[in-house]
Amino acid sequence: SQTIHQWPATLVQPVGSPLSLECTVEGTSNPNLYWYRQAAGRGLQLLFYSVGIGQISSEVPQNLSASRPQDRQFILSSKKLLLSDSGFYLCAWTYSSGAFFGQGTRLTVV
Amino acid sequence: AQSVAQPEDQVNVAEGNPLTVKCTYSVSGNPYLFWYVQYPNRGLQFLLKYITGDNLVKGSYGFEAEFNKSQTSFHLKKPSALVSDSALYFCAVRDGAGGYNKLIFGAGTRLAVHP
Repeated sequence: SQTIHQWPATLVQPVGSPLSLECTVEGTSNPNLYWYRQAAGRGLQLLFYSVGIGQISSEVPQNLSASRPQDRQFILSSKKLLLSDSGFYLCAWTYSSGAFFGQGTRLTVV
Repeated sequence: AQSVAQPEDQVNVAEGNPLTVKCTYSVSGNPYLFWYVQYPNRGLQFLLKYITGDNLVKGSYGFEAEFNKSQTSFHLKKPSALVSDSALYFCAVRDGAGGYNKLIFGAGTRLAVHP
């Protein structure tokens, strides 16, 4: 069966520190993968999406980057975190008629 | 571009009463529409979807949604609300442009069910 794993669940990082959030999927190949951010418990903003290894598209300019080193791995990174990067980050795998979501990472930048 | 709108920030309902969470959409072509629910500090859970077929879609936990093409709406409904239904609800539409399957979400509606 298809599953999606995302870690860590919570993270507290100082301003200026690097970031690496990881997402992996199981039970499928060549998935479409997405990173969303949710600020203040409300709407979901699409950050990045990837349709294959090394293929990354960015929806909005920001302090973050994404990489897809393996078919079922999607990484969200930053070299230097800002306070405004705080939020709830969700990884998702979509297919033609739906999506699976990871459990999310609560990032607090202090 | 595909989009959805959830006009209500919050919906308050008494337990046992029917509930409706509103969603309207704007798409080119046939819409693929979804409802998801989110509990605090958790990922999104799928409730139901409309791809084609019957306009009344039945989903998880007793929820259903009615696809109305003329009103471009996809409202989420439940005949009798439970306190445990209290959560954040998202309507979403698939944007298949370019061969991708992006999900575009509404801003979310917080449902509060009071005992």
